[in-house]
Amino acid sequence: DAKTTQPTSMDCAEGRAANLPCNHSTISGNEYVYWYRQIHSQGPQYIIHGLKNNETNEMASLIITEDRKSSTLILPHATLRDTAVYYCIVRVAHNNNDMRFGAGTRLTVKP
Amino acid sequence: KAGVTQTPRYLIKTRGQQVTLSCSPISGHRSVSWYQQTPGQGLQFLFEYFSETQRNKGNFPGRFSGRQFSNSRSEMNVSTLELGDSALYLCASSLKSQGTGTTEAFFGQGTRLTVV
Repeated sequence: DAKTTQPTSMDCAEGRAANLPCNHSTISGNEYVYWYRQIHSQGPQYIIHGLKNNETNEMASLIITEDRKSSTLILPHATLRDTAVYYCIVRVAHNNNDMRFGAGTRLTVKP
Repeated sequence: KAGVTQTPRYLIKTRGQQVTLSCSPISGHRSVSWYQQTPGQGLQFLFEYFSETQRNKGNFPGRFSGRQFSNSRSEMNVSTLELGDSALYLCASSLKSQGTGTTEAFFGQGTRLTVV
């Protein structure tokens, strides 16, 4: 699976949009981009995933660049409960759960 | 629908002992994966089971083993415990479907193992 690069940490004001970038310049054509987050001492929580089109669900939006070498997770109105470590992962589309987590981005939402 | 259940939540063991951790996947999920999380190494993949067969294995020594039962419940075992095995062990289940595309994995709360 392709390696991802994320900033170590980011801050965001409560109520504002949080934009979390991820670089995956070696991504292959059959690899999906997945985002998970982990709130302190809990198991990771699935957020969203996409292949090449932008995706939106009730939690977030995922913007993937046209060349697919980077993506941005957007939390439209961050709350204090969104404080967590966010992981960007690229996975081959064959249904395995061998996910290679990097260090992720520690997002702190401040009041 | 109940989530992924891991037992026990906390465990303290002594070096040299062995330990068995349990994971009950979401009903209907047939794929179960295990991960180890430590402050130094982060989240690392241990192994994945599907239909009672190990499908994939991470880079861990043979002291780490697992199995899956016919009802998809899974256990992992660590023998001859070392201090460095202290970690949060996470289990994830997914609805493994045929064809293209991927399915998301749902994680349990984990078992925090402390080796003293």
